Amino acid sequence: GESVGLHLPTLSVQEGDNSIINCAYSNSASDYFIWYKQESGKGPQFIIDIRSNMDKRQGQRVTVLLNKTVKHLSLQIAATQPGDSAVYFCAEISTGTNTGNQFYFGTGTSLTVIP
Amino acid sequence: NAGVTQTPKFRVLKTGQSMTLLCAQDMNHEYMYWYRQDPGMGLRLIHYSVGEGTTAKGEVPDGYNVSRLKKQNFLLGLESAAPSQTSVYFCASSTGQGGTGELFFGEGSRLTVL
Repeated sequence: GESVGLHLPTLSVQEGDNSIINCAYSNSASDYFIWYKQESGKGPQFIIDIRSNMDKRQGQRVTVLLNKTVKHLSLQIAATQPGDSAVYFCAEISTGTNTGNQFYFGTGTSLTVIP
Repeated sequence: NAGVTQTPKFRVLKTGQSMTLLCAQDMNHEYMYWYRQDPGMGLRLIHYSVGEGTTAKGEVPDGYNVSRLKKQNFLLGLESAAPSQTSVYFCASSTGQGGTGELFFGEGSRLTVL
């Protein structure tokens, strides 16, 4: 199967600083990537996505960067807040016909925001 | 709009017992999925369905069965529970082909097998 990995399992940042969470993927044919946030005791929630024909996408306080040359994905969170403390997953998706969109998840990075 | 709802949220079983986890979605999504989440392992796909009446195996299907008799429901069954099936189970749904591909997750069901 595919492998999706994160460089750092844990990350601690000061409130107000910017956070960068990294992700490596292995399938150069993947056409869609999503970042999810999972708070303790809850299911993952969508943060932002990016298609393989883009290299950058911005949302509210979040930016996703895609470097297809080195198969690297990153999530940048601006002005990190205590509510951003959670586990962040990247997902690599190969959209298929009649096979379901095949999602491959990394193990996650635990972000802790220090007040 | 409830989204994806899983029941029960918690369950303790003895080895060899059977149980069914129910997932219901009210978004008219075609695709539904069952994942398990274990520490350090990330989310692993058990079974999925691309439409009513269809099911398919994922990455770790052994010991589980599923059914999709109605479009809005996706059931995950354990016929003879084993301690290795202690995990948190997540159901998810998506629009399917032509959609954004985003997965909508339930809140999870924590299963402990003694």
